[in-house]
Amino acid sequence: KNEVEQSPQNLTAQEGEFITINCSYSVGISALHWLQQHPGGGIVSLFMLSSGKKKHGRLIATINIQEKHSSLHITASHPRDSAVYICAVWDTGNQFYFGTGTSLTVIP
Amino acid sequence: NAGVTQTPKFQVLKTGQSMTLQCAQDMNHEYMSWYRQDPGMGLRLIHYSVGAGITDQGEVPNGYNVSRSTTEDFPLRLLSAAPSQTSVYFCASSYSGSLVTQYFGPGTRLLVL
Repeated sequence: KNEVEQSPQNLTAQEGEFITINCSYSVGISALHWLQQHPGGGIVSLFMLSSGKKKHGRLIATINIQEKHSSLHITASHPRDSAVYICAVWDTGNQFYFGTGTSLTVIP
Repeated sequence: NAGVTQTPKFQVLKTGQSMTLQCAQDMNHEYMSWYRQDPGMGLRLIHYSVGAGITDQGEVPNGYNVSRSTTEDFPLRLLSAAPSQTSVYFCASSYSGSLVTQYFGPGTRLLVL
């Protein structure tokens, strides 16, 4: 069973396009995290949120607790945004569950 | 700060061999965890620790042991390696709580023949 589902699995965009990645989850959570995995394999944390919306530069993350759904938006996409974006939920028992990731390629 | 370090970066084992994957952090984080990443499956939690002397099992603990004798170190031991343990292993650390930044190590790529 997959506690966390992401869509799409793969995404190709032209530079400048607005991008949306979706995450749905089925378990009770304390928080939801968005992570970025670079082509070299390193993983960095982008957002942590339990309600509402957060914004860092061109990235925006939203969460709807009632609908168990989160979205990650990238405005004015750039080739350096090419990476795998991973949604992860922190359940009520100190454990993370991860989506399989969305592979984003931004073409100049 | 070095952050989260992992050694080795790459390892080849034969079936049945044992080894320890090292993980260390210098941020005084209480929470440390080990994950494996397999194609098409995402990251899965193997073991985690909420502080020195405290460990617990994650989603896929079989075949792995951990210990947490200090705040800084959280080694992962493979008792008898199997080809199914071929994977990329990530260690992560954070302060306690769900709304805190997770810091990941660079990963260890393990191949079991």
